[in-house]
Amino acid sequence: KAGVTQTPRYLIKTRGQQVTLSCSPISGHRSVSWYQQTPGQGLQFLFEYFSETQRNKGNFPGRFSGRQFSNSRSEMNVSTLELGDSALYLCASSLAAGIGYTFGSGTRLTVV
Amino acid sequence: EDKVVQSPLSLVVHEGDTVTLNCSYEVTNFRSLLWYKQEKKAPTFLFMLTSSGIEKKSGRLSSILDKKELFSILNITATQTGDSAVYLCAVSSEKLVFGKGTKLTVNP
Repeated sequence: KAGVTQTPRYLIKTRGQQVTLSCSPISGHRSVSWYQQTPGQGLQFLFEYFSETQRNKGNFPGRFSGRQFSNSRSEMNVSTLELGDSALYLCASSLAAGIGYTFGSGTRLTVV
Repeated sequence: EDKVVQSPLSLVVHEGDTVTLNCSYEVTNFRSLLWYKQEKKAPTFLFMLTSSGIEKKSGRLSSILDKKELFSILNITATQTGDSAVYLCAVSSEKLVFGKGTKLTVNP
């Protein structure tokens, strides 16, 4: 079966712009979570959605937001981009929270 | 605040060596502990542990959880160059909390 699909794979944006990243989970998985990975901070939890509802949120500013659609696909939006937002953004899907997570290949965002 | 600490942060060994990677945690509402291997982008799932003392094995890799002492170890025997990667430990509570990872380099 198809894995977790993230698009786009790479993105270059200018400071102040906004960006939307997409994640399609494994078929049947209703939980989608998002993570930011940087060399200094490692993998940090952004938020998790289950059945279109945000169930948990990490310690990120309000510029980071997300949503989940009825088909479980999820989008993450970052507004007013800053240089420090440059990172690998990973999403993971699972049947439910706490049960094995499968990761996508990520979106590499570079802010210049 | 939930915390996961991995040690060592990096490790360089020769092919054939055995390595032990450590993961300690402090989280509320523990559900499971997971190990992942990350080579380039997507972390790939290795093990999920929920019960103390039960070893999980997959080929040369094995892992065990101690819920009393709040730690887990990942063992890799007869290491190969293909084992070179960052190994991530994560604990699932209300969210998935990751350690910083252990970068393993296996030299021929």
